[in-house]
Amino acid sequence: DGGITQSPKYLFRKEGQNVTLSCEQNLNHDAMYWYRQDPGQGLRLIYYSQIVNDFQKGDIAEGYSVSREKKESFPLTVTSAQKNPTAFYLCASRSGPLFGYTFGSGTRLTVV
Amino acid sequence: GNSVTQMEGPVTLSEEAFLTINCTYTATGYPSLFWYVQYPGEGLQLLLKATKADDKGSNKGFEATYRKETTSFHLEKGSVQVSDSAVYFCALDPLREYGNKLVFGAGTILRVKS
Repeated sequence: DGGITQSPKYLFRKEGQNVTLSCEQNLNHDAMYWYRQDPGQGLRLIYYSQIVNDFQKGDIAEGYSVSREKKESFPLTVTSAQKNPTAFYLCASRSGPLFGYTFGSGTRLTVV
Repeated sequence: GNSVTQMEGPVTLSEEAFLTINCTYTATGYPSLFWYVQYPGEGLQLLLKATKADDKGSNKGFEATYRKETTSFHLEKGSVQVSDSAVYFCALDPLREYGNKLVFGAGTILRVKS
């Protein structure tokens, strides 16, 4: 079955460390997205990519970085510059207009 | 600009009650509209969509009609179950604008009591 896989499901990080969240899709979708969700809150866009080797900042890109070297993969790095990284991170993809997003199951990051 | 406004929650209902979650939007042009559902600890799942005015999206007993005259896309279900307890997000796709990104509402928590 096609879908989006996010790993790991739970991640713990010490303050001052960088950490990378994985997002892989086998849907052959061109566009991929990273969102952050805080408790009781909506979704905030971090980064998005519409094509391989190209990506754009979303609304809250500071302290995050991404790469898009392959169509299937869009990893997100949470750097030590992100002051409040504890959150639920969601990856999504879509094939084009008129189609909604397909979401992964999320990664819950906790800074300890 | 483009925006989505949902009714504030939480919405608390008894099992078998009728559900309405209001969603209104602001957009230029002719956006596509979506409802997503998020169960605890999971990602969002597409529940239904409508791509033009007067279209009705439906799935799993949920329905929503794209009303251009009132810029609304309210979610309804005739008889809710405890298993419908989740967070519901309304979203729009402005299509030619904003580089293929959806615009989400803040989400509405639904709690169904047995």
